[in-house]
Amino acid sequence: DGGITQSPKYLFRKEGQNVTLSCEQNLNHDAMYWYRQDPGQGLRLIYYSQIVNDFQKGDIAEGYSVSREKKESFPLTVTSAQKNPTAFYLCASSSEGGSPLHFGNGTRLTVT
Amino acid sequence: EDQVTQSPEALRLQEGESSSLNCSYTVSGLRGLFWYRQDPGKGPEFLFTLYSAGEEKEKERLKATLTKKESFLHITAPKPEDSATYLCAPSRSGDYKLSFGAGTTVTVRA
Repeated sequence: DGGITQSPKYLFRKEGQNVTLSCEQNLNHDAMYWYRQDPGQGLRLIYYSQIVNDFQKGDIAEGYSVSREKKESFPLTVTSAQKNPTAFYLCASSSEGGSPLHFGNGTRLTVT
Repeated sequence: EDQVTQSPEALRLQEGESSSLNCSYTVSGLRGLFWYRQDPGKGPEFLFTLYSAGEEKEKERLKATLTKKESFLHITAPKPEDSATYLCAPSRSGDYKLSFGAGTTVTVRA
């Protein structure tokens, strides 16, 4: 079955440490995205990538970094510069801009 | 700036009690409006795309409709398994920056 795999499901880190969240898709989609979800708030776009080796900042990119070296993979690094990193992180993909997004099941990151 | 507002924030229904959720938006050049269902601790699951005013889509007990400024998600005779948060997102052609509403959390009691 095609889909998006995010790992791990739960992640715990100490403040000041960088952490990388994994996202892999086998839908053959060109575009991939990272969203952050906090209780009572909508999904907020962190970064997106339209094609391999290219990515753009979303609305809340500060403190995050990404890479897109392969079509299937779009890892997100939460750096120590991110002020409030504890959140639910969702990866998604789409065939093109304006098309429906397909989401993974998220990674819940807790930083203490 | 695009605005997407969903109401109500929360909806508690008795099993079988039909109701509607609202998604109002200000997006120029709308290509389509997406509805998603999200269960706790999971990623959103795609439900429908609506492309033009007057269009309707149905899936089991859910029916989505679209006007120029709003979309409605009607839940007919809901069951407890319909309990979830429902999200909407209007999209523009070629636009990668999708804006989501904050969602309506529906709880259906048996």
